[in-house]
Amino acid sequence: GENVEQHPSTLSVQEGDSAVIKCTYSDSASNYFPWYKQELGKGPQLIIDIRSNVGEKKDQRIAVTLNKTAKHFSLHITETQPEDSAVYFCAATPANYGQNFVFGPGTRLSVLP
Amino acid sequence: NAGVTQTPKFQVLKTGQSMTLQCAQDMNHNSMYWYRQDPGMGLRLIYYSASEGTTDKGEVPNGYNVSRLNKREFSLRLESAAPSQTSVYFCATDWVDYEQYFGPGTRLTVT
Repeated sequence: GENVEQHPSTLSVQEGDSAVIKCTYSDSASNYFPWYKQELGKGPQLIIDIRSNVGEKKDQRIAVTLNKTAKHFSLHITETQPEDSAVYFCAATPANYGQNFVFGPGTRLSVLP
Repeated sequence: NAGVTQTPKFQVLKTGQSMTLQCAQDMNHNSMYWYRQDPGMGLRLIYYSASEGTTDKGEVPNGYNVSRLNKREFSLRLESAAPSQTSVYFCATDWVDYEQYFGPGTRLTVT
C-alpha cells in the first residue's frame, strides 16, 4: 500500500525566513496531494493542494511543488509569521483507495519572533 | 453554517465501556470519514462512507463500528473500549474533488 514519509519532524525558523517541508510517497499512481495545517486543539485545515498534472501551485506566501518522477512533493512557506506556527501534514491519494488519504506523520513548525 | 460538528469534545472511559462518537455536517457532502490521530503517526483512517447507506473499512477498523444514519450524520461506536483506543478522533467530509473538511475532534481517554 501507499506509504508517505515527511521530513523534518520539527522545524524552527526565524520570523521572515522561509520554511520547506518535504514528503515522499511510494504509489506512483497517486494523483492528489494536499497539505493540511493543524493548530493546537483544532482539526486539520486544508491550506493548499496539487494534482498530478501540475508541477507547481502558489497561493500568496504558500507554494507546493510536485516531482512525479522522484515521487516527492514539498510545501514552501515564505516570509514566515508567528501565526504560521502549527503542525503541517501532507497526504497522498493512492489510485486504488477511492478518495481516501494516506497522511504523513506531520511536521511541527515553530516561527520564532 | 457550522460545517462539521463533533460531540462530545472530551470523554473518559473505563476499559470495557462503550460509547458512540457523533458527527454531523451541513455541507451536503456525500462522503464522510472517521480518523484517529496518535502522536507521531499522523491521521489514520478508521472507516469511511462514500454515500448514504454505504460504509467501508479503512486502515485501522478493528474495535470500531460505524453507522451512516443519513446524509448528514456518521457515528463511530466503540463497543468495548481498550486503552489502545486512547486517541483524538476526527470526522471529515468531502464532495467529489478530494477536499476534505475536518471537525474539531473528540479527545478520548480509556483508563
